[in-house]
Amino acid sequence: EVRLLESGGGLVQPGGSLRLSCAASGFTFGRYGMSWVRQAPGKGLEWVSTFSGLSFDTHYADSVKGRFTVSRDSSENTLYLQMNSLRAEDTAVYYCAKDFVSGDSHSFDSWGQGTLVSVSS
Amino acid sequence: EIVLTQSPATLSLSPGERVTLSCRASQSVSSYLAWYQQKPGQAPRLLIYDASNRATGIPARFSGSGSGTDFTLTISSLEPEDFAVYYCQQREKWPLTFGGGTKVEIK
Repeated sequence: EVRLLESGGGLVQPGGSLRLSCAASGFTFGRYGMSWVRQAPGKGLEWVSTFSGLSFDTHYADSVKGRFTVSRDSSENTLYLQMNSLRAEDTAVYYCAKDFVSGDSHSFDSWGQGTLVSVSS
Repeated sequence: EIVLTQSPATLSLSPGERVTLSCRASQSVSSYLAWYQQKPGQAPRLLIYDASNRATGIPARFSGSGSGTDFTLTISSLEPEDFAVYYCQQREKWPLTFGGGTKVEIK
C-alpha cells in the first residue's frame, strides 16, 4: 500500500523559513516523479514543484521560483520542500503527491494527508 | 501557462442524476488531462488520467472524454458519495495547472 506522510508545517512569520518532509512507503520511491501541491484555505489546488523521477530535473511554479527548493533522499524515501522568504500568500495546506506511473507522468494517483503552513505575524 | 477553465462553478443535483462537467484548456493539452475528486477535509483522489482512463478502483459510472482543448467528466448516475469538488489538471506543459474546480452539491 502506498503511503505518503507529510510533516514540518506550522506557523511562521513573513520572511521566515520552513522545511516540509514527505515520507514515502509502499513503492519504489526513486522511480517516480514526486510533486508538491498546495491549497489555500477555501481555494482550489495549485501545483508548486516537481522532482522528476528519471531525470532528477526540478520544476517550480513562478510564484515560488527562487524561494522554494525541492529535493529528495532516495535512501530515506523522503521528499523535501525547503521554503524560504515565506509570504502570507504561501499560507496553505501542502500535499505531496506521487506520479501515477513510474518515470515522469505528472498526474497524481497517491496523495498525503497534507500539512498546514501558516504565514503570519 | 495553460489555463484550464471549468464550468459550471457549482451544480445542484439529486442522487441518480447524470452529471457532465466541462474543462476547457487555453491551448491544446493533447490527451494529457486528469480529473480529481476532493471531499471536505480530504486529499484529492485521481479519477481519470489521460482524458479517458479510469484510475485504479474508480467505479465505472465515472468516465472521461475529449482531446485538445475540450474535455468532459461524466458521472452516469450520482451516488450520495459523489457530492464533492472536481478538478481537472493538465500535464502537457510546465507549469502543471489545475482548473478552478466544479462543486457538485445536493439539490
